[in-house]
This record gives sequence, C-alpha cells and structure tokens, in this order.
Amino acid sequence: AQTVTQSQPEMSVQEAETVTLSCTYDTSESDYYLFWYKQPPSRQMILVIRQEAYKQQNATENRFSVNFQKAAKSFSLKISDSQLGDAAMYFCAYRSDYDQGGSEKLVFGKGTKLTVNP
Amino acid sequence: KAGVTQTPRYLIKTRGQQVTLSCSPISGHRSVSWYQQTPGQGLQFLFEYFSETQRNKGNFPGRFSGRQFSNSRSEMNVSTLELGDSALYLCASSFGSGNTGELFFGEGSRLTVL
Repeated sequence: AQTVTQSQPEMSVQEAETVTLSCTYDTSESDYYLFWYKQPPSRQMILVIRQEAYKQQNATENRFSVNFQKAAKSFSLKISDSQLGDAAMYFCAYRSDYDQGGSEKLVFGKGTKLTVNP
Repeated sequence: KAGVTQTPRYLIKTRGQQVTLSCSPISGHRSVSWYQQTPGQGLQFLFEYFSETQRNKGNFPGRFSGRQFSNSRSEMNVSTLELGDSALYLCASSFGSGNTGELFFGEGSRLTVL
C-alpha cells in the first residue's frame, strides 16, 4: 500500500518570503499522480497543484511550484511571496493510476500547518 | 456554479446511535468520495461511488456504509456509533473520468459522539 509522509507538522514564514513544505511517498508503481491540497481554517479543501508522475517538468501555478524527484520519491511544495491568505493546513496526496475501475482514491499525508507572520 | 454541499454541518450523537450524512456533488459530477478526518489519523478514505456503484472502499468496519442515488447525491451511514467515530467527515466530488484527478471538497460534517 502507498504511504505519504509529511515530516513537518508545523511551519511558519514571514509575509513576502518563500517557504518549502516537504513530502515523501512510498510506492512501487510507476504511474501515479501527486497533489497538494490546502485546507484553510474554514475547512473546505482546495487543490493547489497537481503533478503527473510521467512528466519530468515540475508543475507551477502562479506563486506555487513543486520539486518532484521521482527517484527519491519526494514532492515538495514551494510557496513564493507568501501572503496572509496562504495560512492553512497543507496536505500532500497520492493517487494511483492502477486503482480498480479508475478509482480516484487519494492517500493523504498528515498535513503541515503553515502560519504566515505579518 | 454551486459547490459540494454537505448536511448537516454539525451534529451530536450518543454512543450506540446511528447517523446519516448527506452530500450533494457539483452538478455534472458522477463520482463522490468520503473521507474521515481526525487529529490523530489524519484523512482516511472511506469509500467512493461512481454512477450509483461503489468503486472503491477503505479499511473501515462494516458499520460504515454508503450509497449513491441516480442524481449522484450520496449518503453515508454509521451505525452503532463509538466515541472514536467523532470526526470531520468530508465529501468530495469529481467528474469521475479519472483523468484530471481533481477532487472538489465540501466543508464537511462535524460529528461528535458522546
């Protein structure tokens, strides 16, 4: 079974600075998807960024980018120019490309609580 | 366009009771997944429904069950509640094509078992 590990329970960053959240995963599969989801205090989780394992190029969405190291099974999230609205729980998630019937089941890490200081 | 709607948002039950939670997905979405979120265990997958059929199931006891209706709305039921069932239950929907993988989450139903 796949596992996702986020080794930083909490992180803090100054507004306008850059922060990197770490994520490692364990899998024997070659095709899969990786995600970062953000859960603000209001609790509705939203997708931040997605990476397909077969793509070597790191995904980027505005101020958010990932460092995907497939061989090392590492998938870190970099937030540039941090804003107060970035404060939230961040979850790293894995989705297999082999699950039964095309299931979209996600395996989540335990999360990293990000605090942004003004 | 309306997001994923979960009802009720908060509820309190006592041990031994049962509870039913409801989830209305985004219009056009055919897949609905359920997750249990607790401080200790994090987010754990319960089950996924697609076109009224259970497509995947997590490692939870049989007290946890679900179903999906023809309009894609889904319900989950927990019978014989235990204290450890206290959690935030999140519902997520998607088109279910399996191509994008993006799930859209509701705000959750906060269950407290006394």
